[in-house]
Amino acid sequence: DQQVKQNSPSLSVQEGRISILNCDYTNSMFDYFLWYKKYPAEGPTFLISISSIKDKNEDGRFTVFLNKSAKHLSLHIVPSQPGDSAVYFCAASALVTGTASKLTFGTGTRLQVTL
Amino acid sequence: NAGVMQNPRHLVRRRGQEARLRCSPVKGHSHVYWYRQLPEEGLKFMVYLQKENIIDESGMPKERFSAEFPKEGPSILRIQQVVRGDSAAYFCASSPQLGDEQYFGPGTRLTVT
Repeated sequence: DQQVKQNSPSLSVQEGRISILNCDYTNSMFDYFLWYKKYPAEGPTFLISISSIKDKNEDGRFTVFLNKSAKHLSLHIVPSQPGDSAVYFCAASALVTGTASKLTFGTGTRLQVTL
Repeated sequence: NAGVMQNPRHLVRRRGQEARLRCSPVKGHSHVYWYRQLPEEGLKFMVYLQKENIIDESGMPKERFSAEFPKEGPSILRIQQVVRGDSAAYFCASSPQLGDEQYFGPGTRLTVT
């Protein structure tokens, strides 16, 4: 039962262009969403988050969009840089139900930014 | 300003042995979480602890696995009588408050031969 899905296992984008990573969820109790970036042999690094009371959050080159009715969120990276090449994980939690401790992760999308 | 520290980074155990994985959270963080990542999968929640208390262990296998976070010292994830299926990367995370972003350590890669 995969409650958080990242249907694209990989994505290749040219340097300078926009990278769009997508994530879908099925649990309507999720109200807090996060994106993590992971390099090989390292732990995930927090990138950006969004609460369900918002539909957009921006931090520098990273913007996360949330569409609650479609249970869909996306991460936009503009402009993409070679150092952005990594695996990106979408994660969700349900703060309102008191299970904020438990992050539910997607399976990840491997982004490669080419020169 | 050290982040989450985990050791060892790599651990090899034979079937039937015990594995002990250690996690030191970010200084000042009292909330610790353990996750497991199997090959080609996302991270799966195992357990959430505060100092001296297990708060949520809904992701822990019922047998052979235990976790603690003593008043002094690191958090420990203990796996008794390891089997090949326990081979995975085990990540620890910490946060200052429940509901805050979780900061992850580099992980311990357990290989069971």
